Amino acid sequence: DAGVTQSPTHLIKTRGQQVTLRCSPKSGHDTVSWYQQALGQGPQFIFQYYEEEERQRGNFPDRFSGHQYPNYSSELNVNALLLGDSALYLCASSQTLTAAGELFFGEGSRLTVL
Amino acid sequence: AQKITQTQPGMFVQEKEAVTLDCTYDTSDPSYGLFWYKQPSSGEMIFLIYQGSYDQQNATEGRYSLNFQKARKSANLVISASQLGDSAMYFCAMREGPGSGAGSYQLTFGKGTKLSVIP
Repeated sequence: DAGVTQSPTHLIKTRGQQVTLRCSPKSGHDTVSWYQQALGQGPQFIFQYYEEEERQRGNFPDRFSGHQYPNYSSELNVNALLLGDSALYLCASSQTLTAAGELFFGEGSRLTVL
Repeated sequence: AQKITQTQPGMFVQEKEAVTLDCTYDTSDPSYGLFWYKQPSSGEMIFLIYQGSYDQQNATEGRYSLNFQKARKSANLVISASQLGDSAMYFCAMREGPGSGAGSYQLTFGKGTKLSVIP
């Protein structure tokens, strides 16, 4: 049973560029959340997708956008990259009806902005 | 105010000993959930244990137990019989609101505690 898979694992961009990160949720999961983890910090919630719609959003600017496809996979897009966007981007999936709300995380995409 | 506070940036423990990682939280929502995750150097966040605000008993999962003191708003993780593979970052996290339905899985994380197990 494949867990949450993310791609790419590492990437380097320059300021002002745009990046797309991809996530395939764990089998049977229909909800995808994205988190940003800066070096030495805990993850911060970016947004959550369910039924192909953004359901909740954290305190992130509109440069951060996403999408969820009918197969539940998801993309995170970041436009006009800033140096401060350098971080580990974690995707987490869950099954909506799970009472405990346990999230399963992928290994993340490490973005470096130069 | 910080919603999740982990006051120990780093901890050392001897192999086979028990260790307690501290976590305090702040919320006015009567319904919430508390989580502990382990993050090895690979980056993946591994779920360890969950405690719901209405759960009467402290959660346990194998060598992990959660010391839940609701009045003090603390949710400390206890790892018994530490192993070398336990060396990692440990994060405490909170979900505010009920755990069912769409849009209920936003977690707020603390800054983490780096645990090092000494042979």
